[in-house]
Amino acid sequence: DAGITQSPRHKVTETGTPVTLRCHQTENHRYMYWYRQDPGHGLRLIHYSYGVKDTDKGEVSDGYSVSRSKTEDFLLTLESATSSQTSVYFCASTTDSLTGELFFGEGSRLTVL
Amino acid sequence: SQKIEQNSEALNIQEGKTATLTCNYTNYSPAYLQWYRQDPGRGPVFLLLIRENEKEKRKERLKVTFDTTLKQSLFHITASQPADSATYLCALSDQTGANNLFFGTGTRLTVI
Repeated sequence: DAGITQSPRHKVTETGTPVTLRCHQTENHRYMYWYRQDPGHGLRLIHYSYGVKDTDKGEVSDGYSVSRSKTEDFLLTLESATSSQTSVYFCASTTDSLTGELFFGEGSRLTVL
Repeated sequence: SQKIEQNSEALNIQEGKTATLTCNYTNYSPAYLQWYRQDPGRGPVFLLLIRENEKEKRKERLKVTFDTTLKQSLFHITASQPADSATYLCALSDQTGANNLFFGTGTRLTVI
């Protein structure tokens, strides 16, 4: 399995507080992704990165920002968490964004009260 | 906008039988179609990728077909086992690949 870990795995926070989720991969993958998974919805792409300091928006990027200062780390930040951001967040990485398989982390369950 | 539908939320099948899962899509012309497996509380795991110009792909007990005319992919698991019980996700992308990858909501397969 690709070495991709997420932290924290579980977090409960209050509306209006900032939250940062971390994704760390040890595979030297160039491409990294943040998804959210909600009941009734497929995985939806929030942001992705195609290299250090190179990021772009996905389908549901409003309210989220990302940063990638090192190949191995991809951070997802909720500047001011809202209840609608309660979800399970998955990080993924790959060497080949075109046809390569995505390797997913175990997920981070975020609850915003 | 594109829409991806997986035939049913849940599918129960008897051990040893072939499980067939369906992925239909509209308003989209995918270049690639992928299938993932997801166990409860875990991240998805990649199974197979098929390109738009490929009709069928196999991997061990798995077979995927891709019909761009019907806008449909079928995912088969032959000789199903209880260990195959999981949620299976289909995902579509255009020529930009994973930077524009859309997932279905999944079908939960239970092998009994």
